Amino acid sequence: QITLKESGPTLVKPTQTLTLTCTFSEFSLNTSGVGVGWIRQPPGKALEWLALIYWDDDKRYSPSLKSRLTITKDTSKNQVVLTMTNMDPVDTATYYCAHRPTVTWNAFDIWGQGTVVTVSS
Amino acid sequence: QSALTQPRSVSGSPGQSVTISCTGTSSDVGGYNYVSWYQQHPGKAPKLMIYGVTKRPSGVPDRFSGSKSGNTASLTISGLQAEDEADYYCCSYAGSFWVFGGGTKLIVL
Repeated sequence: QITLKESGPTLVKPTQTLTLTCTFSEFSLNTSGVGVGWIRQPPGKALEWLALIYWDDDKRYSPSLKSRLTITKDTSKNQVVLTMTNMDPVDTATYYCAHRPTVTWNAFDIWGQGTVVTVSS
Repeated sequence: QSALTQPRSVSGSPGQSVTISCTGTSSDVGGYNYVSWYQQHPGKAPKLMIYGVTKRPSGVPDRFSGSKSGNTASLTISGLQAEDEADYYCCSYAGSFWVFGGGTKLIVL
């Protein structure tokens, strides 16, 4: 079955750049319609959508965070990487990656377990 | 972009039905039939319960149903069970990005 797993640093300092990797299995980012997205959740707060990359390398970003985010894919490694610059303590959150199956679904059907990132000096 | 508006909490007794609303704008909820709903238990990743406003993924009980009218989507849970107690989030496609709601805590009395 489809699985996704996030990895990256658990602690970053303010102003540093965060790099997170989503490693997935049992689907291909070469398949038409498929996408992988990133969503985060600060402690005790709501989910916030961050970015998504499509099978055709089209990329979409949250308008409020667009200037700080970059999403890329490596289909040979089955990985999607999210970088976020100029980290701030308010960026402390659990970061999830999720599978978007097709245009028809246009939702996130399978999620990774999440990775906790703390921003602190 | 602004988060979609959900009630902070709703409650119901076992066996009853509850409805959670999700209000957006004509640029998101009202503009696309791409509203999804997620259930999240404490410490767990979200789980997709409804997509495309009304569709249920395989394995989701038919006690869960979705609808939409104008700029407001709704999730209805009938025959409430103790295990339904969780946080619920709506999400809508907004043309070139997605937006989540603020979340609703469902309390099963």
